[in-house]
Amino acid sequence: LAKTTQPISMDSYEGQEVNITCSHNNIATNDYITWYQQFPSQGPRFIIQGYKTKVTNEVASLFIPADRKSSTLSLPRVSLSDTAVYYCLVGATRAGSYQLTFGKGTKLSVIP
Amino acid sequence: GAVVSQHPSRVICKSGTSVKIECRSLDFQATTMFWYRQFPKQSLMLMATSNEGSKATYEQGVEKDKFLINHASLTLSTLTVTSAHPEDSSFYICSARNPSYEQYFGPGTRLTVT
Repeated sequence: LAKTTQPISMDSYEGQEVNITCSHNNIATNDYITWYQQFPSQGPRFIIQGYKTKVTNEVASLFIPADRKSSTLSLPRVSLSDTAVYYCLVGATRAGSYQLTFGKGTKLSVIP
Repeated sequence: GAVVSQHPSRVICKSGTSVKIECRSLDFQATTMFWYRQFPKQSLMLMATSNEGSKATYEQGVEKDKFLINHASLTLSTLTVTSAHPEDSSFYICSARNPSYEQYFGPGTRLTVT
């Protein structure tokens, strides 16, 4: 299972764009990159998933360079309610048993 | 997105008793479900993988006789903490994998053993 490295914490003001970068140097060919958001005492919430290039949905964008050794989650115009821990995970989703191994995550604090 | 529920959301039990936690996928069938444990200010730790119709696969260091997992149907997996002790107090979270291999997590169950 590929190991991921993220910043422990980040601060941002309301209304700003936040970019959280995750390193996964030993990502395998079959691995997808998935980001989750977790609030205290709640289960993680799926944000976005991608394999390469750029993926965008209604809440975030995910940028993945050609070598796939890193990825960046982009949250546009954050609000106070985006204060949470964000986890980057890599794993194969298309075959076999897919286990998600959680790293320490990035604690994002949005400041008014 | 897909919905996964857990019951109960909170439970307090006495040391030595057993507690059962249910995990249900409400709008999709899940051949595979996962159980995690999370201690305060720590990340989620995978405990076991639950496969419908077969025995669960436990992670290293997780006692299978203490944490009994039953995946009785494509929408239900249960985790039973047997002979619970205060050190088993934690936040237990399940996840279910949908047919598109996306994983969705339940809201978690807070277990307190007194």
